[in-house]
Amino acid sequence: GDSVTQMEGPVTLSEEAFLTINCTYTATGYPSLFWYVQYPGEGLQLLLKATKADDKGSNKGFEATYRKETTSFHLEKGSVQVSDSAVYFCALSPGTASKLTFGTGTRLQVTL
Amino acid sequence: GAGVSQTPSNKVTEKGKYVELRCDPISGHTALYWYRQSLGQGPEFLIYFQGTGAADDSGLPNDRFFAVRPEGSVSTLKIQRTERGDSAVYLCASSLLGTRSGELFFGEGSRLTVL
Repeated sequence: GDSVTQMEGPVTLSEEAFLTINCTYTATGYPSLFWYVQYPGEGLQLLLKATKADDKGSNKGFEATYRKETTSFHLEKGSVQVSDSAVYFCALSPGTASKLTFGTGTRLQVTL
Repeated sequence: GAGVSQTPSNKVTEKGKYVELRCDPISGHTALYWYRQSLGQGPEFLIYFQGTGAADDSGLPNDRFFAVRPEGSVSTLKIQRTERGDSAVYLCASSLLGTRSGELFFGEGSRLTVL
């Protein structure tokens, strides 16, 4: 079945450091790919998405490129801020069903 | 309010009891989803409604779990004969377009603790 694998956290970075959170997926067909973020005390919210191969999703300085050849959708940010501290979830939606399959989440902690 | 609303935010119950969790989606969203999130895990799909009907209930773990959406808006997740393993945060989400190209809007969840 469909699955998403994320790097385990927590990831601890100093402010202004470069961030990469790895995400790989297994799916039949051509899924859409997503990154969701959960800030402390808040519900999950969409960060960015890509619906086809080679698409790049971007938002709030975060980027991720849909790589079909490596089945990956790694999240990157050039300079993190303390306010980026949250749990990040990679997810996919298969072409044949309207639901999301999530990874286990990666907690990011950014310090001054 | 403008977002997805879930009640109660916290529920503590005893093993064997019956529980109902309510979700009020964003007005106009026809798609509604229930997910379950255990500690340290990602959300796990339970059921998806399109309008009043359950379009996909493949994630419901067993027949103790049931969900309804009688008027195509508010939904209730019902858990019978609760077990300690049911303890988790139950998330509701709604969407205008579904997941393929649209965005799911999540509520803050209902934390269920079964003693």
